[in-house]
Amino acid sequence: QQQVKQSPQSLIVQKGGISIINCAYENTAFDYFPWYQQFPGKGPALLIAIRPDVSEKKEGRFTISFNKSAKQFSLHIMDSQPGDSATYFCAAGASGDYKLSFGAGTTVTVRA
Amino acid sequence: ETGVTQSPTHLIKTRGQQVTLRCSSQSGHNTVSWYQQALGQGPQFIFQYYREEENGRGNFPPRFSGLQFPNYSSELNVNALELDDSALYLCASSQQGVGTGELFFGEGSRLTVL
Repeated sequence: QQQVKQSPQSLIVQKGGISIINCAYENTAFDYFPWYQQFPGKGPALLIAIRPDVSEKKEGRFTISFNKSAKQFSLHIMDSQPGDSATYFCAAGASGDYKLSFGAGTTVTVRA
Repeated sequence: ETGVTQSPTHLIKTRGQQVTLRCSSQSGHNTVSWYQQALGQGPQFIFQYYREEENGRGNFPPRFSGLQFPNYSSELNVNALELDDSALYLCASSQQGVGTGELFFGEGSRLTVL
């Protein structure tokens, strides 16, 4: 049973465009929502994370938007660059728990 | 600061065999988690070790077992390998109490079961 649903499965964006990835969850105990970036042959690396006390968090060209009532959160990649081409995973965790639940991933391809 | 290192990076086994994967945690981290990532999927939690004890377990059968050593390094053992065990096995370290989800992943061990 997948606790975090992620869409789209893949997307292609032109250099300079905006990439948007969406995730939804059901478990209201989740209070930590990170995004991981994974390049081929590498392990996932933490990109940015948010907690439910804020609705948006921005770090450079990456922004997380969080909608607690809808139980949804999304990643926006502004001014997408070819180096952003990777697979992105959303995840969710609960305080006191010991694991993260990951989405299935979105492969982003940025065309030069 | 040394990151998470895993070995071996790639290995091929046949069905029914046993495998041991190794992980050295990032300096200063005392908790190790193992995840299985099937091709085209997100990582799935296997178990976590803290203070040399299993701290939590995902939906994996008992033939998946692990160890954590006093230096916080860890092993993942899989017995009676099945074809569906073919996957990337990721080790992640963290500092217990820092906060849920602050995981630092290694590059993984790619297991192929024939």
